[in-house]
Amino acid sequence: SSELTQAPAVSVALGQTVRITCQGDSLRNYNVNWYQQKPGQAPVLVIYGKNNRPSGIPDRFSGSTSGNTASLTITGAQAEDEADYYCDSRDSSANLVVFGGGTKLTVL
Amino acid sequence: QVQLVESGGGVVQPGRSLRLSCAASGFTFSSFDMHWVRQAPGKGLEWVTLISYDGSKKYYASSVKGRFTVSRDNSKNTLFLQMNSLRAEDTAVYYCAKEKREVRPPPLDYWGQGTLVTVSS
Repeated sequence: SSELTQAPAVSVALGQTVRITCQGDSLRNYNVNWYQQKPGQAPVLVIYGKNNRPSGIPDRFSGSTSGNTASLTITGAQAEDEADYYCDSRDSSANLVVFGGGTKLTVL
Repeated sequence: QVQLVESGGGVVQPGRSLRLSCAASGFTFSSFDMHWVRQAPGKGLEWVTLISYDGSKKYYASSVKGRFTVSRDNSKNTLFLQMNSLRAEDTAVYYCAKEKREVRPPPLDYWGQGTLVTVSS
């Protein structure tokens, strides 16, 4: 299956650590990428490949994978991190892109 | 700096057609694969299509295959999405996005601001 499963919502207290997960059989073969989307804005790439951050993304964002589960970890969550987060990867053909359903992160 | 600017969205009746454009600047457009991704109101991201840097390879989501056609004009740094036989479920904000090379799977490292397509009678 090429589906990617994310929890619909997660919350974290300000300054604490939160992990957002993405599950799928394809993750045994492919890494994931992670995007942040704030209301009314386009998605922004925050993590790609094994654990790479584009320029300008704070180092509190990190990524990891174990088996069929990928994780986006925010260490010391800030109020501005409140957003929807999406993972993506490829299907078995490596040509079709698959997005997870998204996780809404609330920072309390 | 990289810029992607979509245009062409609007209100269209079911069964009709619409053509979206995405004007690219700030990078060598002809060297990069490009994508269209859409987002229905209040919903998540849905990948639509990918076109290779030279236009020789095209891939589509099953939900649009046979109805949508992606193309590009590298001489004008522009990406297109021709949408035919539109349905109510095609209503969404459509984003064009640039693919980052040298990484597997290739992430989408730059996105446009999106253009809204509303299919309604």
